[in-house]
Amino acid sequence: DAGVIQSPRHEVTEMGQEVTLRCKPISGHNSLFWYRQTMMRGLELLIYFNNNVPIDDSGMPEDRFSAKMPNASFSTLKIQPSEPRDSAVYFCASSLDPAGVWGFGSGTQLSVL
Amino acid sequence: AQKVTQAQTEISVVEKEDVTLDCVYETRDTTYYLFWYKQPPSGELVFLIRRNSFDEQNEISGRYSWNFQKSTSSFNFTITASQVVDSAVYFCALSEKTGANNLFFGTGTRLTVIP
Repeated sequence: DAGVIQSPRHEVTEMGQEVTLRCKPISGHNSLFWYRQTMMRGLELLIYFNNNVPIDDSGMPEDRFSAKMPNASFSTLKIQPSEPRDSAVYFCASSLDPAGVWGFGSGTQLSVL
Repeated sequence: AQKVTQAQTEISVVEKEDVTLDCVYETRDTTYYLFWYKQPPSGELVFLIRRNSFDEQNEISGRYSWNFQKSTSSFNFTITASQVVDSAVYFCALSEKTGANNLFFGTGTRLTVIP
């Protein structure tokens, strides 16, 4: 079975540019999560979707961040405009329910210069 | 309030030594789930184990074992006869049945196994 698939694996961009991260959850999972990992804050939840509907976006740092899930097999996290402090590893995860195993993607290493 | 505490920031052991990674959690839910993930230098998050709050049986998987004690809200992880390949950051995490359906992570413990 395919796990959570994220792209790109690495992204280097200049400050002010738009960045789009992509995620394909595990087939059949109904919850999708975007996490950010930094040295200072560790792993923190940005937003989560249930059945393609955003349920909790309280972790989204500011209006520059937006996330969509147009269907059950695809989600995007967009940063516009990007800033150097957005540099981090962004993980996408999916689960069927809290009791299930959470699958994580390989992450996107974002560097904003 | 922090929900998952991993007090050990970094641990170094010599190969073949046993090592225990501590995890203390906090929740008001009676139903919850505890996880351990491994993050090797390559960066991915590797699932190791999931336990639910009603199952306090300890579990052993090869060199890995887990001790779940509700009385002390702890879910500790022991690696027996450590190997260099065990070097990684290990995260303990909590998922509650109610609430935001989030996976709360601890800050991680960096384990270095010295050959």
